[in-house]
Amino acid sequence: DGGITQSPKYLFRKEGQNVTLSCEQNLNHDAMYWYRQDPGQGLRLIYYSQIVNDFQKGDIAEGYSVSREKKESFPLTVTSAQKNPTAFYLCASREHPYNSPLHFGNGTRLTVT
Amino acid sequence: AQSVSQHNHHVILSEAASLELGCNYSYGGTVNLFWYVQYPGQHLQLLLKYFSGDPLVKGIKGFEAEFIKSKFSFNLRKPSVQWSDTAEYFCAVNVGGYNQGGKLIFGQGTELSVKP
Repeated sequence: DGGITQSPKYLFRKEGQNVTLSCEQNLNHDAMYWYRQDPGQGLRLIYYSQIVNDFQKGDIAEGYSVSREKKESFPLTVTSAQKNPTAFYLCASREHPYNSPLHFGNGTRLTVT
Repeated sequence: AQSVSQHNHHVILSEAASLELGCNYSYGGTVNLFWYVQYPGQHLQLLLKYFSGDPLVKGIKGFEAEFIKSKFSFNLRKPSVQWSDTAEYFCAVNVGGYNQGGKLIFGQGTELSVKP
């Protein structure tokens, strides 16, 4: 079955360490997204990519980095510069044109202590 | 900067009551508009979308939404809610339209609790 796979489901890190969250899709979608979901704040866009080897900052990109070397993969690195990294991270993808709905992964809950 | 604002953070209704959830966005160009729903413990799923044509769009489970361009609004409505509608509802705006715009931003979400 086609879908989006995020791994791991739970991730624990010490403060000061970088951590990379995986997102893989086999839907052949061009566009991929990373959102952060916090209670009362909805989904906030971190980064998005409309095509391989290209990506744009979202509204809260500081302290995060991404790469898009392959169409099916869009990993997110949470760096030590991110001041409040503990959150639930959602990866999503969709096909062009952009009135199409998002497909979401199951999410990764990151806890930094 | 573009933004999406949902007016109500938490709405509590009794079964059979009517529902209207507000959504406003700030962007002057072409937009596509969506409402997503997240039932407890589940993924977000699409409720309905607007991209052109009739500004009144119908979605799944009896939901509808009206796009009022002059008010930059896309409010969600349902005439009679059920206990199973208890969920969190998110309004989302695709900035730039269906061909150019890949940026999709969400509102803060509205938690709906329906009392049986």
